[in-house]
Amino acid sequence: GEDVEQSLFLSVREGDSSVINCTYTDSSSTYLYWYKQEPGAGLQLLTYIFSNMDMKQDQRLTVLLNKKDKHLSLRIADTQTGDSAIYFCAESIRGGGFKTIFGAGTRLFVKA
Amino acid sequence: GAVVSQHPSRVICKSGTSVKIECRSLDFQATTMFWYRQFPKQSLMLMATSNEGSKATYEQGVEKDKFLINHASLTLSTLTVTSAHPEDSSFYICSALRRDVNEQFFGPGTRLTVL
Repeated sequence: GEDVEQSLFLSVREGDSSVINCTYTDSSSTYLYWYKQEPGAGLQLLTYIFSNMDMKQDQRLTVLLNKKDKHLSLRIADTQTGDSAIYFCAESIRGGGFKTIFGAGTRLFVKA
Repeated sequence: GAVVSQHPSRVICKSGTSVKIECRSLDFQATTMFWYRQFPKQSLMLMATSNEGSKATYEQGVEKDKFLINHASLTLSTLTVTSAHPEDSSFYICSALRRDVNEQFFGPGTRLTVL
């Protein structure tokens, strides 16, 4: 079946790095995504990675993909209080149109 | 980027009434839009895929007669919650697929409260 799992809560100090982890089950995933959701708002796409890549860096964000273990991580360098939000891991399924399966979200709390 | 709007952002209605939520892609055409439901502190659950000019595809367990979806134009999809009940209270989020960049753009969400 299709399932995406992630830890529910992460607390870090301002200036430290944050690492949010995610595991998925569908080996036919084509794209893997990280979205950010601030309170009461919709989702903002932060970054994505193709399933045939193992790393992608975009400014303070680094995505690592271990396809063998079906493990995805998002590292935020120099975490700021404005990074406090819920971060969703998601995968799109080959053959499912553009169907996207979301994890439950990791709530990141940044302490000043 | 691309902009997707939803209207209304918040709605409170009485039990038994119907509520329509609009999702618009403002600066691109979207043949495919998606409707999600999000319960507090939970993930997004895909309800249905809305295809312009054809019937929506509903996910398992979603009642198509309760959640009516219409995608009559390339920039507008509507979700109507019919005969709403308190258990329908939730945050409804739409997204529009922009095929030239192969990316979904999300609306800001609509919070529905059924009294």
